[in-house]
This record gives sequence, structure tokens and C-alpha cells, in this order.
Amino acid sequence: GAGVSQSPSNKVTEKGKDVELRCDPISGHTALYWYRQSLGQGLEFLIYFQGNSAPDKSGLPSDRFSAERTGGSVSTLTIQRTQQEDSAVYLCASSLGGKTISGNTIYFGEGSWLTVV
Amino acid sequence: AQTVTQSQPEMSVQEAETVTLSCTYDTSESDYYLFWYKQPPSRQMILVIRQEAYKQQNATENRFSVNFQKAAKSFSLKISDSQLGDAAMYFCAYRTPYSGGGADGLTFGKGTHLIIQP
Repeated sequence: GAGVSQSPSNKVTEKGKDVELRCDPISGHTALYWYRQSLGQGLEFLIYFQGNSAPDKSGLPSDRFSAERTGGSVSTLTIQRTQQEDSAVYLCASSLGGKTISGNTIYFGEGSWLTVV
Repeated sequence: AQTVTQSQPEMSVQEAETVTLSCTYDTSESDYYLFWYKQPPSRQMILVIRQEAYKQQNATENRFSVNFQKAAKSFSLKISDSQLGDAAMYFCAYRTPYSGGGADGLTFGKGTHLIIQP
């Protein structure tokens, strides 16, 4: 597609359930990012994938959070045993890669709103 | 680690007027990129404008322009002829071409909430 695509747009889940959030980056983009944004807050880095390199998982808040990227394209963020504090918008982004400003420009999806009740 | 500071949590401007949002950053690098993103209530982050540090000419995109002062490490966004659709959170961001995309690779400010008064 033309832009970063995320699904679902909205998800309401019960505390303790697992959720999966999907991200389809812009075609050809080698880098993929996940961020979390709680209500009224800034962006919190979660995880970064670059090509076939090992992902940078330094932002994952707990071991309940995991992410994978298959075939260098689609990524899934999984949250196990959800808690109310996990309620937030989860933003996925991608960039082309390389050392130019075009390669370093990050484009965001529309986000997945997660509400844990 | 680099830091990005947006000192104005909220700004208000009359429709059709001009407003400037401030952003300062701290870095020891000489080669880097700066961005402004807009986040309307829909929550999608939309790229507004970008600037390469080694280019002295200020970037312009229609009604949006920046005042990039490299020595002062300042990167302000000017919105001319403000429109109701400009109402949003605006985030300033910094990154270098040599770091990864993780926590140290891309740094965002805390945002400025822009209100447009009709």
C-alpha cells in the first residue's frame, strides 16, 4: 500500500487476555518501529527492526511485550496478559533506511487504539 | 543521549494569523536531521517538514516554514495563515544518520498543543 497500515484500528480487551497488533510498512522500507502513546503523553519507543539485523528491544516495558517481523515486512506486536496500564495508542512507523534524509524520514500509521477493561 | 525540548506545552492563535512553535535540541553531532510532525485528534503522526543540518537554507512547505539556527541548536516552526485544520499536537524530532532507530536513534520532544481560535 501507499502508507503504513495498522490493524485493528481499535481493540477493546479484557484484562488478562492476549492481544496482537499488526503493522504493514510501506513497501520497500527496511526499518520498522513501534511506539506507544498514552493519553496526553509523548511517544514511548518500544522496538526497532532494521533489515535482517537483530531488533532493538530496549524499549519493551516488560516481558509481556514481544514483537516479530516476518520476511522483513509485516510486523506483529503481541501483548500477553494485558493490564489496564497497557491502554494506549500503539503507533507503527517505517523508514526506507540509508544515510539520506529521505531514508531517515519516518512515516507513521494511523495507530491501534487499545483499551483494556 | 540527545534531548529535544519544546518549551511551549500549549499555544493559541487566531485563525489567519501566524504562529511560531519553538524547539531546541542538544547534540554534539554535526550531521543530523530535524523533523516536525503534526498529530491531530485522529492520533496519526503526519510529517509536516524536515531539515538537514548541513543545509543552511530553511525548509519550506506551503504555509509551513522553519527557522533553523544550527549554532543555537534551535528549530522553530512557523505556520502562516493559520487554519482550523492546523489544530493539533506538534512534535519536534531529531535523529542522526549514523545511529539506529531505537531509543537513542530518534528523539521526540514532548509536544506543543496548538489551538486555533476562529
